[in-house]
Amino acid sequence: GAVVSQHPSWVICKSGTSVKIECRSLDFQATTMFWYRQFPKQSLMLMATSNEGSKATYEQGVEKDKFLINHASLTLSTLTVTSAHPEDSSFYICSAREAGMNTEAFFGQGTRLTVV
Amino acid sequence: AQSVTQPDIHITVSEGASLELRCNYSYGATPYLFWYVQSPGQGLQLLLKYFSGDTLVQGIKGFEAEFKRSQSSFNLRKPSVHWSDAAEYFCAVGVGGGSQGNLIFGKGTKLSVKP
Repeated sequence: GAVVSQHPSWVICKSGTSVKIECRSLDFQATTMFWYRQFPKQSLMLMATSNEGSKATYEQGVEKDKFLINHASLTLSTLTVTSAHPEDSSFYICSAREAGMNTEAFFGQGTRLTVV
Repeated sequence: AQSVTQPDIHITVSEGASLELRCNYSYGATPYLFWYVQSPGQGLQLLLKYFSGDTLVQGIKGFEAEFKRSQSSFNLRKPSVHWSDAAEYFCAVGVGGGSQGNLIFGKGTKLSVKP
């Protein structure tokens, strides 16, 4: 299968700072990328969907000004957690898929964010 | 509203024994169904998916799942579990016109394997 690389794998930051997480499709053009959040012992919750060159579509309850998503190219999407707080600590996972119906979405390995 | 229910939070089976993980979904249209596996601290790997056709779907690592529309179920099975199968398993339904990326996940079932 195709490879989606997420970086960093883990990050610790101070409260009030911003953190950027990258999601790259290594061997295919990802027209659509998805960002999920996973709390400990919980399932994945979709945060937002981004299409290359367009503004991201956020799920209800997700603050778009806090979780900035950029999908400027067909191989890279970034999630920036702005003014992070301890409650933002979580596991963030991206997935990416090519254009077309029923194309498979491939997941990154996730990023463990800890805000202290 | 769309939802996915995995009734079992944690299952322990002996190595070599058979396995069945339950999944029920609620979705108004024809569902696109998936099973993923997640190892600790890792992303998700697709085990198998159902879009249409044969309701018994074969996946990787010897897993299979059967779609039963009448029961709104998509249970995952494996005839003989290996120690390396210990992980978290997530059932998901694809929404948004069948887009596989826009998924609603169940809460997961943690599988432990006894030697």
